[in-house]
Amino acid sequence: DADVTQTPRNRITKTGKRIMLECSQTKGHDRMYWYRQDPGLGLRLIYYSFDVKDINKGEISDGYSVSRQAQAKFSLSLESAIPNQTALYFCATSDVSETQYFGPGTRLLVL
Amino acid sequence: RKEVEQDPGPFNVPEGATVAFNCTYSNSASQSFFWYRQDCRKEPKLLMSVYSSGNEDGRFTAQLNRASQYISLLIRDSKLSDSATYLCVVNSPGSARQLTFGSGTQLTVLP
Repeated sequence: DADVTQTPRNRITKTGKRIMLECSQTKGHDRMYWYRQDPGLGLRLIYYSFDVKDINKGEISDGYSVSRQAQAKFSLSLESAIPNQTALYFCATSDVSETQYFGPGTRLLVL
Repeated sequence: RKEVEQDPGPFNVPEGATVAFNCTYSNSASQSFFWYRQDCRKEPKLLMSVYSSGNEDGRFTAQLNRASQYISLLIRDSKLSDSATYLCVVNSPGSARQLTFGSGTQLTVLP
């Protein structure tokens, strides 16, 4: 079984809809991250969390929110989706070594 | 100026060739450096960390030049399976300990 899982793997939604992307990990790591990847722009950090009570904004947090429900779960919400949020979204975890382990990604299309 | 800059490529090389990728970073206080590999439509995975004295892992050699803020990755005896996008990754100093990802260099190894 994969150490970092993401659901859904693919999602098509309409402008203005609320959508939640979920991430779960079995690695026992405290640190979790949400990134988006766009062609030519690389991975950009949306939010990160170093433990259950810790939430921090990343480079591009506007239009997104997160919830760290447990050490193993970190969800990303788009409160009102817009077309420029169409992207590939990755969840990642790390321990103190800084090495990050990524989930398989969620492809989101906002129409 | 981007925090981490890479030549996007694509690099198309024949099997058995030696190929080198370069990366520059803007924050002189960065302390940790990595190369990640990303296959098409898949998640990034750690290829190797980059140490100050340079390091080698089989056919892969990574070098760091702090004075020039420059990181390199050398792949010897290229295999078809090396075809992927290679991401240069640098940490952001301070308590946040975030990683900044370059946009990647695409490599295709041709038979």
